[in-house]
Amino acid sequence: DTEVTQTPKHLVMGMTNKKSLKCEQHMGHRAMYWYKQKAKKPPELMFVYSYEKLSINESVPSRFSPECPNSSLLNLHLHALQPEDSALYLCASSQAQGSYNEQFFGPGTRLTVL
Amino acid sequence: AQSVTQLDSQVPVFEEAPVELRCNYSSSVSVYLFWYVQYPNQGLQLLLKYLSGSTLVKGINGFEAEFNKSQTSFHLRKPSVHISDTAEYFCAVSGNNAGNMLTFGGGTRLMVKP
Repeated sequence: DTEVTQTPKHLVMGMTNKKSLKCEQHMGHRAMYWYKQKAKKPPELMFVYSYEKLSINESVPSRFSPECPNSSLLNLHLHALQPEDSALYLCASSQAQGSYNEQFFGPGTRLTVL
Repeated sequence: AQSVTQLDSQVPVFEEAPVELRCNYSSSVSVYLFWYVQYPNQGLQLLLKYLSGSTLVKGINGFEAEFNKSQTSFHLRKPSVHISDTAEYFCAVSGNNAGNMLTFGGGTRLMVKP
C-alpha cells in the first residue's frame, strides 16, 4: 500500500466553524507533513511531524492546530479561519524526515472558507 | 538557503513532440533535486530524483532529467509527449542535511495539444 488518503475531499466552512482534516498512511512512514497550496502556486510547508512529535512549524497561525495521534494518522484542526485560508491542503509522508526521502502526497482537501 | 526558478510558467506543445521544462537552482550546499507532477485535482507524484551518481536520471512515464552542477540546472525532458502529460510540473531542491525541507519552484504548466 503506497497510498496517502485524505478526508474529506472538499470542505466548506464559515469563519466561526471548527472542523478537522484527516490524513492516513499505512506505509510505516515516520514523518508526516501538512502543506497549503493556493491556485497556480507551489505547495507551502506548514508542519512536519517526525516520530509523532512536532518537528517543524513554519510560523503557521494558531487557528491551524496539527495533531499526530499515532504513526499512521495526522489531523489538522481548523478554527476561526479567514477567507484567505481557502486553498488545497496536502498531506504527505516519508520514511523518515530527511531531505533525501521521497515524500508521498495525498490527493488533498479543497477547503473553502466563507 | 536555497531557491528554485522554473523559467517557463506555461509550455504549450503538440502531441508527440519533444519537450524540455527548465529548472535552475541556487544553494550554498550540495543538493538533492526532484521533479514532481500534479494532475488536475490531485496531489503531487514524484517523477524522478537526483541524489548522487549518474547525472542523467530516468523517471516514470518516459521522463528524464540531467543534473548540471556547473550550470546549476536540472532540466526535465521527454522525447515524445502525450495528451495525458498535460499537468503542472514542479522542480524542487533540498540541501543535503536531514533538517532540510523541500523548496519548490513556481511550477510549469505543460499543455499538450492534439
